[in-house]
Amino acid sequence: DVKVTQSSRYLVKRTGEKVFLECVQDMDHENMFWYRQDPGLGLRLIYFSYDVKMKEKGDIPEGYSVSREKKERFSLILESASTNQTSMYLCASSPTSGPGNTIYFGEGSWLTVV
Amino acid sequence: GEDVEQSLFLSVREGDSSVINCTYTDSSSTYLYWYKQEPGAGLQLLTYIFSNMDMKQDQRLTVLLNKKDKHLSLRIADTQTGDSAIYFCAENDTGGGNKLTFGTGTQLKVEL
Repeated sequence: DVKVTQSSRYLVKRTGEKVFLECVQDMDHENMFWYRQDPGLGLRLIYFSYDVKMKEKGDIPEGYSVSREKKERFSLILESASTNQTSMYLCASSPTSGPGNTIYFGEGSWLTVV
Repeated sequence: GEDVEQSLFLSVREGDSSVINCTYTDSSSTYLYWYKQEPGAGLQLLTYIFSNMDMKQDQRLTVLLNKKDKHLSLRIADTQTGDSAIYFCAENDTGGGNKLTFGTGTQLKVEL
């Protein structure tokens, strides 16, 4: 089974802190994604990556950056956390090819910025 | 850009059928997906349908696709309390890559 692991399930950070959300996948997938989920808004794509050291902006990249130094790991960075970044963050991965190019999700990281 | 819409809530009685609806805008999408999210968890792929299909059935799940109206539905037969969750439809982004555009999600509540 594909496993996407988000290292932190629940975090509470102060405004202005630098926050790292880590994600690791064990299926050698080329593609990795970071989404945020908010009630009534569904999932919105923050950043994605097709390969090591490669990154592309999604629909809401402002206030975020990412790092992909190794194929299996994709990190989301909040340089200076703000209260409007309180949300659930979902990491996902997918192969480049395969039936439906299925995207697999981690369990999510709940971030509260106070 | 792509837009995917769903109603926010659906309530059904245990044993009844549930029908969750979705409309999308990108007529060139290759695949359309249904994901399920249980409380406090990530999204789990339920099923997907290729855009040249009208229907796909998998045990209690039936997916119907009307390409002309850009309408996708998920029918759950004999709905159980364990089916209570948020259901997201999604379409793949034909603009490039393997990105998905998700709907807002439909909260399904199954009552006894």
